[in-house]
Amino acid sequence: EVQLEQSGAEVKKPGESLKISCKGSGYTFTDYWIGWVRQVPGKGLEWMAIIYPGDSDTKYSPSFEGQVTISADNSVTTAYLQWSSLKASDTAMYYCARALTGVTYPLHFDWWGHGTLVSVSS
Amino acid sequence: DIQMTQSPSTLSASEGDRVTITCRASQGISYWLAWYQQKPGKAPKLLIYKASRLESGVPSRFSGSGSGTEFTLTISSLQPDDFATYYCQQYNTYPLTFGQGTRLEIK
Repeated sequence: EVQLEQSGAEVKKPGESLKISCKGSGYTFTDYWIGWVRQVPGKGLEWMAIIYPGDSDTKYSPSFEGQVTISADNSVTTAYLQWSSLKASDTAMYYCARALTGVTYPLHFDWWGHGTLVSVSS
Repeated sequence: DIQMTQSPSTLSASEGDRVTITCRASQGISYWLAWYQQKPGKAPKLLIYKASRLESGVPSRFSGSGSGTEFTLTISSLQPDDFATYYCQQYNTYPLTFGQGTRLEIK
């Protein structure tokens, strides 16, 4: 069975760094993109970044480029999203999701992790 | 960026009703559109991909249509489990973008 297991909830202070994870299992990790989607409490879904573990191709939303870094470690079939300096406005639920590769772009997100809640407060 | 605009933002309906949610793209995206359902405290779930293809395991009362810039999600006969928030998403080009969501509530 396909699973995307996300790391647990985090409570951080502004200025701290953070790396959250998403471990894929039940499928060939390098055959699918892994994307990260933010959801601020009570708000909608925002795509942040995506990586193709097969060749490490990465794309960022202009809204998040420079603010976060996406990466993947194929040896442990895990994708990561990291911040070097958190802000209170980063408080949100973060979902990872996988997408099959299309000709040019990733396709739809067919499987989602359960989410990682990140709370940033002084 | 391609903007995705859903209407209505909130929809009140009763069990058994037929409902339609619309999603408009600010420029043509061919049929590269997905629909997701999200319930409170849960991750989104894929319902429809490539505008009209039903994801495996999704009840046949859900259907999608459209191409280019206008798309619809239809639920033919609302069931209690369908009251949730629905999002469209385009994957024609970067950045990938979602609609703002449509909350389907019980009348």
